[in-house]
Amino acid sequence: DTGVSQNPRHKITKRGQNVTFRCDPISEHNRLYWYRQTLGQGPEFLTYFQNEAQLEKSRLLSDRFSAERPKGSFSTLEIQRTEQGDSAMYLCASRTGSLNSPLHFGNGTRLTVT
Amino acid sequence: AQSVTQLDSQVPVFEEAPVELRCNYSSSVSVYLFWYVQYPNQGLQLLLKYLSGSTLVKGINGFEAEFNKSQTSFHLRKPSVHISDTAEYFCAVRGLGGAQKLVFGQGTRLTINP
Repeated sequence: DTGVSQNPRHKITKRGQNVTFRCDPISEHNRLYWYRQTLGQGPEFLTYFQNEAQLEKSRLLSDRFSAERPKGSFSTLEIQRTEQGDSAMYLCASRTGSLNSPLHFGNGTRLTVT
Repeated sequence: AQSVTQLDSQVPVFEEAPVELRCNYSSSVSVYLFWYVQYPNQGLQLLLKYLSGSTLVKGINGFEAEFNKSQTSFHLRKPSVHISDTAEYFCAVRGLGGAQKLVFGQGTRLTINP
């Protein structure tokens, strides 16, 4: 179990630029989740994949956000035309399909939009 | 839909004292309950989970929690805390249908003073 891996750990970008984050889940986990966490708050759900299918998206996920999981393994989260309000920690998590399987989280990507 | 309320945003305690972090939830369906811990600049680590069975669950680092269905609570306790327990603690619920996503509370910052 190598854990959930997220890259990069930190990203500083200027407003209006596009950014992409990558998540490598635990290898046997077919469920993958993205969350966003702002300072002093709990993580908020963004989107969910079962294998390569994106099955649920939060209304927090504006049309500037897109997530993919093309082969049912790693996932990417892209933010286009970044805004200062996008500054947050972006967390990826994965689990197996078993009903009682807990979520395993990566260490997150901290995005700062200047 | 589910929601979680963590009643204390900050809890300061002295080392070796007992601590209780309070969590109440709301849900129209059965849920699983979790406590996660987050150390600075890291992802979330699972402390313990309640799925079914005994209402008292034990987790890592000496923590335990008790599920109370009538009061819709899942309070976290530790009989004697250490400096290393200083962290942010999140209570979360997961519904049993759909994406089975975790819904988090806003977190409780536990500060241990020597």
